Amino acid sequence: DGGITQSPKYLFRKEGQNVTLSCEQNLNHDAMYWYRQDPGQGLRLIYYSQIVNDFQKGDIAEGYSVSREKKESFPLTVTSAQKNPTAFYLCASSRRGTVNTEAFFGQGTRLTVV
Amino acid sequence: AQKVTQAQTEISVVEKEDVTLDCVYETRDTTYYLFWYKQPPSGELVFLIRRNSFDEQNEISGRYSWNFQKSTSSFNFTITASQVVDSAVYFCALRVDSGYSTLTFGKGTMLLVSP
Repeated sequence: DGGITQSPKYLFRKEGQNVTLSCEQNLNHDAMYWYRQDPGQGLRLIYYSQIVNDFQKGDIAEGYSVSREKKESFPLTVTSAQKNPTAFYLCASSRRGTVNTEAFFGQGTRLTVV
Repeated sequence: AQKVTQAQTEISVVEKEDVTLDCVYETRDTTYYLFWYKQPPSGELVFLIRRNSFDEQNEISGRYSWNFQKSTSSFNFTITASQVVDSAVYFCALRVDSGYSTLTFGKGTMLLVSP
């Protein structure tokens, strides 16, 4: 079955630690995205990538980093510089260059700082 | 810049009632696309519908219908005869046809349907 897989589903981080959230897709999509969801805030874009080895900052990129070494994978690292990392993180993918296409989402990773 | 406003934070209805979720958008682009997504408690966003800026025809899909009005920059979503399984957070989103375009989401409306 084609889709987007995010892991882990739940993640706990100690203050000062970096953690990496995994996102893998087998939809052959060029574009991938990371969103952060907080209660009452909707979804806010962290980073996105339209092709391999290229990515752009979204609206709230500070304290986060990404890589796009393979078409299928777009991992997100939450660094210690992110002051309030507790949130629900959603990864998405879509076809590139066609704005009329919908994005497909993974099931999310809930990150909690302990 | 683009903006999507979903003024209703939470709506509660009783099963079989009709309910309308409002969405108002702002953009200076003439070509854009509007989307609705459903987020059940499991967390994954499920795509419901896409509409482009040149197509103002209303659409009906089973119990779901969408009303797109460019004159008021609105793209409202109506669920007829609501069911408990409709309980979820619903997001409206906008994507413009320029450059590296991404989805701009509203803050979502939580719909609670009670038996």
